[in-house]
Amino acid sequence: DAGVIQSPRHEVTEMGQEVTLRCKPISGHNSLFWYRQTMMRGLELLIYFNNNVPIDDSGMPEDRFSAKMPNASFSTLKIQPSEPRDSAVYFCASSLMEKSQPQHFGDGTRLSIL
Amino acid sequence: EDKVVQSPLSLVVHEGDTVTLNCSYEVTNFRSLLWYKQEKKAPTFLFMLTSSGIEKKSGRLSSILDKKELFSILNITATQTGDSAVYLCAKFTNSGYALNFGKGTSLLVTP
Repeated sequence: DAGVIQSPRHEVTEMGQEVTLRCKPISGHNSLFWYRQTMMRGLELLIYFNNNVPIDDSGMPEDRFSAKMPNASFSTLKIQPSEPRDSAVYFCASSLMEKSQPQHFGDGTRLSIL
Repeated sequence: EDKVVQSPLSLVVHEGDTVTLNCSYEVTNFRSLLWYKQEKKAPTFLFMLTSSGIEKKSGRLSSILDKKELFSILNITATQTGDSAVYLCAKFTNSGYALNFGKGTSLLVTP
């Protein structure tokens, strides 16, 4: 079974550039989550979707961050303009859309903003 | 947001040792507590604990929850170098969907 698929695996770009991270959830999972992991703050929730609808975006740090889920099999997280402090590993996870379901994570995108 | 606190932050043991990792949490609308193992890439799901006192077991790993004292432990017996990883503890947020993670325990098992 295919797990959660994220792309790209690594992204290095200069400050000010637009960055787009992509995620394909596990088929049949209709909850999708974006997390960010740093040494200082650990794993933090950015936003999550149920049935392609954003439910809670309170973790999105600033207006520079936006996320979309145009259909059940694809989501994007965009940063525009990017800043060095956005450097982190960004994880996408998916689960069944009942409460208290374990989430399954993708391998993450390691983002470096120079 | 509710806190999830893990201890120790890091641990170095020899192969064959038994380790106990700790996770304490604040309770608000508690549903379940989860353990994940993170090697170099994705956190992988280990256990989900909902009821107090019932041990979950998978091979050399086991975990138990104490809802009265608000903590969980993860035990690993006869450790192997392949157990080296960061172990993450998490609880569901008030929504019941998203997870609130602790900072993790970094375990290194030396030969």
